Amino acid sequence: DAKTTQPNSMESNEEEPVHLPCNHSTISGTDYIHWYRQLPSQGPEYVIHGLTSNVNNRMASLAIAEDRKSSTLILHRATLRDAAVYYCILTIYNFNKFYFGSGTKLNVKP
Amino acid sequence: DTEVTQTPKHLVMGMTNKKSLKCEQHMGHRAMYWYKQKAKKPPELMFVYSYEKLSINESVPSRFSPECPNSSLLNLHLHALQPEDSALYLCASSQGQVGKRSEAFFGQGTRLTVV
Repeated sequence: DAKTTQPNSMESNEEEPVHLPCNHSTISGTDYIHWYRQLPSQGPEYVIHGLTSNVNNRMASLAIAEDRKSSTLILHRATLRDAAVYYCILTIYNFNKFYFGSGTKLNVKP
Repeated sequence: DTEVTQTPKHLVMGMTNKKSLKCEQHMGHRAMYWYKQKAKKPPELMFVYSYEKLSINESVPSRFSPECPNSSLLNLHLHALQPEDSALYLCASSQGQVGKRSEAFFGQGTRLTVV
């Protein structure tokens, strides 16, 4: 299974944009890129996913490099509630399994 | 209803006990998952059920025994656990194949302590 590499931690100021990077140089053509986050004392929650094109939803934006070897999760205005561990995950499109990488712990300062 | 409900929230058990964790969803999802999460580590996949059949077992020790009695319910039976099995056990479900169309929904987990 293809692996992802993320920085261990990042810090952001409240109400500023945050760019969370993820490298996945061994990605295959059928792998989808998913992002989940885990707030303290909670189960992971879905944030966004994509295949090739950039994606937007109410929570975030996902920017995927043209060669698909990296992606960036963008939180447009970080709030204190966004402090969490963010996981970048590759999933094979027709397979019922996905593996969490080590994740990035995001700290948001007031 | 987009909830995955796990019970109990906390469980303390002795090494000779038998206990069960329960997970329920009413979203009509046909794939359900068990993950184990140690402190400050990412969740690790244990089992996947697809259409009530076990499709993936990530070489989990037999002291963990999953069961899917129906499409809404997933159990994890525990027997003769070790202290190192203490962890947060997470259940998740998805409509079908995670990837193209489907996101996974996670429960809040059961925090298990083996004494």
